[in-house]
Amino acid sequence: AQTVTQSQPEMSVQEAETVTLSCTYDTSESDYYLFWYKQPPSRQMILVIRQEAYKQQNATENRFSVNFQKAAKSFSLKISDSQLGDAAMYFCAYRTSGPGSARQLTFGSGTQLTVLP
Amino acid sequence: KAGVTQTPRYLIKTRGQQVTLSCSPISGHRSVSWYQQTPGQGLQFLFEYFSETQRNKGNFPGRFSGRQFSNSRSEMNVSTLELGDSALYLCASSLGQAYQAFFGQGTRLTVV
Repeated sequence: AQTVTQSQPEMSVQEAETVTLSCTYDTSESDYYLFWYKQPPSRQMILVIRQEAYKQQNATENRFSVNFQKAAKSFSLKISDSQLGDAAMYFCAYRTSGPGSARQLTFGSGTQLTVLP
Repeated sequence: KAGVTQTPRYLIKTRGQQVTLSCSPISGHRSVSWYQQTPGQGLQFLFEYFSETQRNKGNFPGRFSGRQFSNSRSEMNVSTLELGDSALYLCASSLGQAYQAFFGQGTRLTVV
């Protein structure tokens, strides 16, 4: 079974600074997807960024980028120019991609990010 | 385009009762998944439906069940509620496996 580990329960960052959230995962599969989701106080899970395991290039979405290290099974999220609206719980998630395979997301335990003005 | 809609948003039930939660996916989405979120166990997968068929089920007791209708709307039912069933229940919809999952705002269930 796949597992996702987020070792930082809480992080804080100064507004306009950069912060990196860590995530490691364990799987025996070679093809899969990795995600970072954000859950603000409204509770709605919002996709921040997605990475396909077969792609060597790290995904980037505006101020959000990832450092995907497949061999190390590491998938960290970097938030640049942090804004107050970035404050939320961040979840790292894994999903297999093979045909007929389980399609559910496996989530880490989350990192609560505080942005300080 | 309307997002994923979950009803009700909040629910208080008594131990032993049963409850039904509803999820309306984004128009055109045929895959609906349910997750339970608690402070102790985090986010756990309950089940997934695609075109009215349950494709996958998580490690939950038989008291948890679900179904999907022909319009892709889904319901989940929990019978004989226990205090430990208190949680945020999240529904997610997608076009299919390779596509992004969009989440609703959840239903907060409190069992007293």
